[in-house]
Amino acid sequence: DAGVIQSPRHEVTEMGQEVTLRCKPISGHNSLFWYRQTMMRGLELLIYFNNNVPIDDSGMPEDRFSAKMPNASFSTLKIQPSEPRDSAVYFCASSFRDGGEKLFFGSGTQLSVL
Amino acid sequence: GENVEQHPSTLSVQEGDSAVIKCTYSDSASNYFPWYKQELGKGPQLIIDIRSNVGEKKDQRIAVTLNKTAKHFSLHITETQPEDSAVYFCAASKAAGNKLTFGGGTRVLVKP
Repeated sequence: DAGVIQSPRHEVTEMGQEVTLRCKPISGHNSLFWYRQTMMRGLELLIYFNNNVPIDDSGMPEDRFSAKMPNASFSTLKIQPSEPRDSAVYFCASSFRDGGEKLFFGSGTQLSVL
Repeated sequence: GENVEQHPSTLSVQEGDSAVIKCTYSDSASNYFPWYKQELGKGPQLIIDIRSNVGEKKDQRIAVTLNKTAKHFSLHITETQPEDSAVYFCAASKAAGNKLTFGGGTRVLVKP
């Protein structure tokens, strides 16, 4: 299996622009998580899905952030409009069950908002 | 919600020595405790995990211990090697159906 696949690996954009991050979970996994990693706040859970349904989005910082999972093999995290403080590494992860089982991370998207 | 504290934030050891990282958690209902290793430019990778019905688990040079009464768990790396240099994260969650809460991470440097 190719593991969790994220794209793009790096994204540089200007403040105010829309940013879309993409994730393909491991085939057969039914839970998907979006995390954000910064030096100041470490690894923060933004949102997670179980069987394509959002279960907990309490970590989504603002209405500027939205996430979708239209099917079992694809998810997006969108930021509109982006701000410099959104600069971080965004990780997607998947697992067989929602949270209590082994979590497999992608390589992340390094986002820089200028 | 759950809160996980991790110490130390940085750890420098000589090759061949042991490294110990400690974590405490706040929610007594948590019962799953994984450890992740993150190398530069990569996502965290699970290296070992332990459930609350077990006090200790070993896998070659790494081991994890759990004290449910005190609500703390530790990662032990013996005979450290340069490739052990990375950032290590502990985490905690309740029964399957809940999310992982991560500690702040420990940057480990193994000096040759």
